[in-house]
Amino acid sequence: EPEVTQTPSHQVTQMGQEVILRCVPISNHLYFYWYRQILGQKVEFLVSFYNNEISEKSEIFDDQFSVERPDGSNFTLKIRSTKLEDSAMYFCASSEANQGRGGELFFGEGSRLTVL
Amino acid sequence: AQSVTQLGSHVSVSEGALVLLRCNYSSSVPPYLFWYVQYPNQGLQLLLKYTSAATLVKGINGFEAEFKKSETSFHLTKPSAHMSDAAEYFCAVSDGTLGRQLTFGSGTQLTVLP
Repeated sequence: EPEVTQTPSHQVTQMGQEVILRCVPISNHLYFYWYRQILGQKVEFLVSFYNNEISEKSEIFDDQFSVERPDGSNFTLKIRSTKLEDSAMYFCASSEANQGRGGELFFGEGSRLTVL
Repeated sequence: AQSVTQLGSHVSVSEGALVLLRCNYSSSVPPYLFWYVQYPNQGLQLLLKYTSAATLVKGINGFEAEFKKSETSFHLTKPSAHMSDAAEYFCAVSDGTLGRQLTFGSGTQLTVLP
């Protein structure tokens, strides 16, 4: 069964460092998303991506964050100058149809980021 | 604007007992509603979804949910809990607009007692 894969599963970094989280969405999917979950809190939307551009982003997704689809398979989230409060589980998701029309989001297993 | 409230951050049931996880939503337009499950150290898996068709929705693993517009609710049920149902469950809502996000509830941790 096709699945969304994320790397790394866990990354520890020093405050101020740059981090890149990688995702390989399901191959025929067109929409890509990043969500995050701070320990003990809600799953929060960060950004959605379609046709090589951001289609929606939340207030959390400020200039510190960027996304990219550098090739035909990967979808990356870059966090510049990490802060302690960026420590969270980051989930990548993809869908073949717009989820608002009932298309299912398929989530990866997450990348846990710990900022020291 | 849309939001989801899940009543009860922790629910415990005995094996074989009814599972009821509560979700209430707020949406200014007809909502699309979802239940996701997260097992330890795994991603989010879709259990079921409501997209304006039948109000009683059946999902995987014997779960179902009923959309009640008058109560703005989408509670998740399963007649008989199994030990393998122990997980965290998230209710989510979308307004159906092209490219819009899912808004998640805070989650309910389900414990199944032997």
